[in-house]
Amino acid sequence: DIQMTQSPSSVSASVGDRVTITCRASQGIDKWLTWYQQKPGKAPKLLISAASSLESGVPSRFSGSGSGTDFTLTISSLQPEDFATYYCQQANIFPVTFGGGTKVEIK
Amino acid sequence: QLQLQESGPGLVKPSETLSLSCTVSDDSIRSRSYYWGWIRQPPGKGLEWIGCIYYNGNTYYNPSLKSRVTISATSNNQFSLKVTSVTAADTAVYYCARVVKATTSSDYWGQGTLVTVSS
Repeated sequence: DIQMTQSPSSVSASVGDRVTITCRASQGIDKWLTWYQQKPGKAPKLLISAASSLESGVPSRFSGSGSGTDFTLTISSLQPEDFATYYCQQANIFPVTFGGGTKVEIK
Repeated sequence: QLQLQESGPGLVKPSETLSLSCTVSDDSIRSRSYYWGWIRQPPGKGLEWIGCIYYNGNTYYNPSLKSRVTISATSNNQFSLKVTSVTAADTAVYYCARVVKATTSSDYWGQGTLVTVSS
């Protein structure tokens, strides 16, 4: 299985801050990396697929980049509704595997 | 608007079989554009892929669960999950999801159902 390592596991930030979350795959996955946002008690929400393709309705302050083994999710200006846990997921090969999550907390 | 809804017992005894269904509204699981999958999340922990089924009946399971898991299509708009010989480690919120075949990304999710394994 491909192992996905996210960092940091948590980050404290203020509204308006730029936040960057990284995800590393244990082997190359080309561009097949997905990002989800999850709020407490809710199902995950798809934000970005294929490393950088923003889903319809997702604010443009979210962006994704990377290829191969190293990927980044950036929130350019953190908003109150962005405080949540973010997960990466490799989508290159079954079994699909997830990173451990990054909790974005209010500073 | 596509909706998915999980259903099944919220409490299962150890060593028994966990059985859940997912009902899909406004779509058919016979579409070639999607897989239909199950993901779980133990309380306070991260996401774990269980597996998925394609329109032609092909299934793709997490190797760590493969010996105990079966995903089946039960109708044009319903699919199911069975996990045998459950233990407390199988206690989790179970989600069903539509998985876009082109990107293997889950774009629609059910609300999730908590299944507790306890005697």
